[in-house]
Amino acid sequence: KNQVEQSPQSLIILEGKNCTLQCNYTVSPFSNLRWYKQDTGRGPVSLTIMTFSENTKSNGRYTATLDADTKQSSLHITASQLSDSASYICVVTPSGEYGNKLVFGAGTILRVKS
Amino acid sequence: EAGVAQSPRYKIIEKRQSVAFWCNPISGHATLYWYQQILGQGPKLLIQFQNNGVVDDSQLPKDRFSAERLKGVDSTLKIQPAKLEDSAVYLCASSLGTGVVEQFFGPGTRLTVL
Repeated sequence: KNQVEQSPQSLIILEGKNCTLQCNYTVSPFSNLRWYKQDTGRGPVSLTIMTFSENTKSNGRYTATLDADTKQSSLHITASQLSDSASYICVVTPSGEYGNKLVFGAGTILRVKS
Repeated sequence: EAGVAQSPRYKIIEKRQSVAFWCNPISGHATLYWYQQILGQGPKLLIQFQNNGVVDDSQLPKDRFSAERLKGVDSTLKIQPAKLEDSAVYLCASSLGTGVVEQFFGPGTRLTVL
């Protein structure tokens, strides 16, 4: 069964600190892995998209890594800001599926404190 | 570029009542998705349209849920009759096509069934 597991479920850090969120998946084969940021009361917004052949992708202070051999991905946030408080969702697209069918993780809730 | 629009943003109804949600995707996006996101979980795909045709509705509870995209642009999702377990955020997303393309999400409609 295609699954995406994220850890930790929630995390509290101080403003300015770095943090790393983890994503383990069983989806195989897959065509791409995405990280989304979802602010409270808003829809998810894409941070990064990586194909199976890529192993790192950056978007400002966000850096995603992908190890297709171990089926793990991480999202590293550098110099956190209060506005980084949100849910971060890891999403995997299986290959061979018609129509971009995404497998979503439950998300990691990040809270940045001042 | 205008984003995905959804209305209403919030809806409270009693069980066994009916409710309808509306979505207007980004102009030119052929693919439209409806997701259900229960609190603490990732979004679950309910139905996917390619223009005005249904690509995937395998997880849509067809005894009570229906959706249409008659002119291949905006879409409505209906629940009739609603159950307590339907309380969730209903997200609409759109993309240019299928494959390794980004999905853009609307702000969602938060439904509470009492």
